[in-house]
Amino acid sequence: EIVLTQSPATLSLSPGERATLSCRASQSISSYLAWYQQKPGQAPRLLFYDASNRATGIPARFSGSGSGTDFTLTIFSLEPEDFAVYYCQHRSNWPYTFGQGTKLEIK
Amino acid sequence: EVQLVESGGGLVQPGGSLKISCAASGFTFSNFWMSWVRQAPGRGLEWVATIKQDGSEQHYVDSVKGRLTISRDNVKKSLHLQMDSLRAEDTAVYYCARGGSMLDSWGQGTLVTVSS
Repeated sequence: EIVLTQSPATLSLSPGERATLSCRASQSISSYLAWYQQKPGQAPRLLFYDASNRATGIPARFSGSGSGTDFTLTIFSLEPEDFAVYYCQHRSNWPYTFGQGTKLEIK
Repeated sequence: EVQLVESGGGLVQPGGSLKISCAASGFTFSNFWMSWVRQAPGRGLEWVATIKQDGSEQHYVDSVKGRLTISRDNVKKSLHLQMDSLRAEDTAVYYCARGGSMLDSWGQGTLVTVSS
């Protein structure tokens, strides 16, 4: 089973700042990585698939990158609605797994 | 608009059974893999099971193999999860999601609580 490790566990930033979230895979997963955003009491929402492909309706301030074992989600200028928990997820081989999440909180 | 609406959650005793369902609308259900993902209280996401468009292929996470069964009815546009031999660690919000490798639409979830 491929393990995804996200860092940091919690990231405290202010609106307008840049956020950089990391996801590391225990073995190469090519570009088979997705990112999701989850707000309290809500279902997750797909942000990116295949590492860098933005899902429908996702603002351009969000960017996904990486391949192999190291991936990054960048939010270039934080808006108040961006504070949430972010999960990465691979689709390299079954079982598909999620990272443990990064909580992005307001500083 | 894609809509996924789960139902059937509730309180069940350890060792008991429950069947949860998901009603789909706003897209051609039979064209998509479908999945169940769960989230224990205060915890992260866990992909539970996925099923191919025609139901001919399913995958399960090891912890639920032999106890949970995913199925679908393409005529009724519904997805199901039959849950048997339930354990306390199965307590979670269960989300229905569209897709088999990346999940682009999600329902709001249904809570399953396994407790005596």
